[in-house]
Formats: sequence, C-alpha cells, structure tokens
Amino acid sequence: GAVVSQHPSWVICKSGTSVKIECRSLDFQATTMFWYRQFPKQSLMLMATSNEGSKATYEQGVEKDKFLINHASLTLSTLTVTSAHPEDSSFYICSFDSVSYEQYFGPGTRLTVT
Amino acid sequence: AQKVTQAQTEISVVEKEDVTLDCVYETRDTTYYLFWYKQPPSGELVFLIRRNSFDEQNEISGRYSWNFQKSTSSFNFTITASQVVDSAVYFCALSEAQAGTALIFGKGTTLSVSS
Repeated sequence: GAVVSQHPSWVICKSGTSVKIECRSLDFQATTMFWYRQFPKQSLMLMATSNEGSKATYEQGVEKDKFLINHASLTLSTLTVTSAHPEDSSFYICSFDSVSYEQYFGPGTRLTVT
Repeated sequence: AQKVTQAQTEISVVEKEDVTLDCVYETRDTTYYLFWYKQPPSGELVFLIRRNSFDEQNEISGRYSWNFQKSTSSFNFTITASQVVDSAVYFCALSEAQAGTALIFGKGTTLSVSS
C-alpha cells in the first residue's frame, strides 16, 4: 500500500503557541486529503477535507481560523494549530484519498499542550 | 445520514479463544464501502479489509474472517484462535463509493487478549 508520513510524530507545546503538522505522501499523488482528530479512548472524527489548490472544508464545530490547513501540493498538506490550548491536545491523523476509493492514513501526530 | 455502531466497547478473551466484533451500519446509499482497521497502542491505523456493498461474499484471511450481511446491515469481524498480539482497538468504518469522501468511523471496540 501507499506510504504516508507525518511529522512530527509527537509534540509538546505551551499554551498559546502554534504548532504545524506535516502530512506527506511518499509514493503517490492525491487531490483530496482529510484531517481527523482522535481524543483519548474515542473514535476518529473528521475535522476537514481539503483539495489541492482550494480552501479546506471544515466539519461543523471545527474552527477554521484555529486549525489552518494548507494543501500545498498533491503530496503535501499541513495542519497548523494556532494559539493552542490544553483542550486541543489530541491525536491528529491525516489521510490521502486514492482514486481506488482507498484512504491511506498517516501514522498520526500526538499533540500535548501544557 | 450515515452511521456506524460498534456496540461492544470492550472485550476480554483468553488466548486461543475465538472472538467476534460486531459492526452495524446505516446508510441510504446503494453503493458504499465498509472497512475494518486495527489501532494498536502506537496509534497508527492498520488497514484490515475493504468491502464493496455489492460484494456480499464472506472473506477469510488467515485467522481473520468477515461476515457481511446486507439484510441486517452488519459487517462483523471474527478472529479465530486469538493471540496476545491481537490486543488493540478495532474500528469499523463506512464511506460512500465516491472519490473524495471521508470515512465515518464507529466508536471502536477495545480487544484485550490475555495469555
């Protein structure tokens, strides 16, 4: 299957700072990609959908000004958590959509805001 | 609206027991995909299977088997002769059969296999 990387794999930051998470597909290109969030012992919840070159579409309840998504190319997307707060501590997972209706997930980034 | 229900929150078994994880879904689409993922403590999702709604054949892969029944909107997952390494959270998911659509996940079932 396809390979997706996320960087960093874990990050600790102070409240009020911003954190950028990179999601990169290593061996294929995809027009659409997704960002999910998973709180401890909970399921994955879709945060936003982005298409390369377009603005992201955010799910209800997800603040677009707080979670900035930049789908810079067919192989790279970034999620920036601005002015992070402890309640933003979570596991963030990206996925790329393939033309064969499969999604390739990154390994996730664990964010802890102190 | 689409929905995936995994009624079993936690299951504990002893090694070598068989265990079935239930998944019930709701969708108005006639064409859709169903998935199972394994999430070990590391957090990385491990893809197990994708099933097209038109393909109701059951599938077996080693110790894993899946029972898809459209009549009851269920897509259950059975692990035969469970092993400690099977301990993880298992998610059932659903998506439209259309490119560019996200997966809708169930709440997951935590499986603990003891030796």
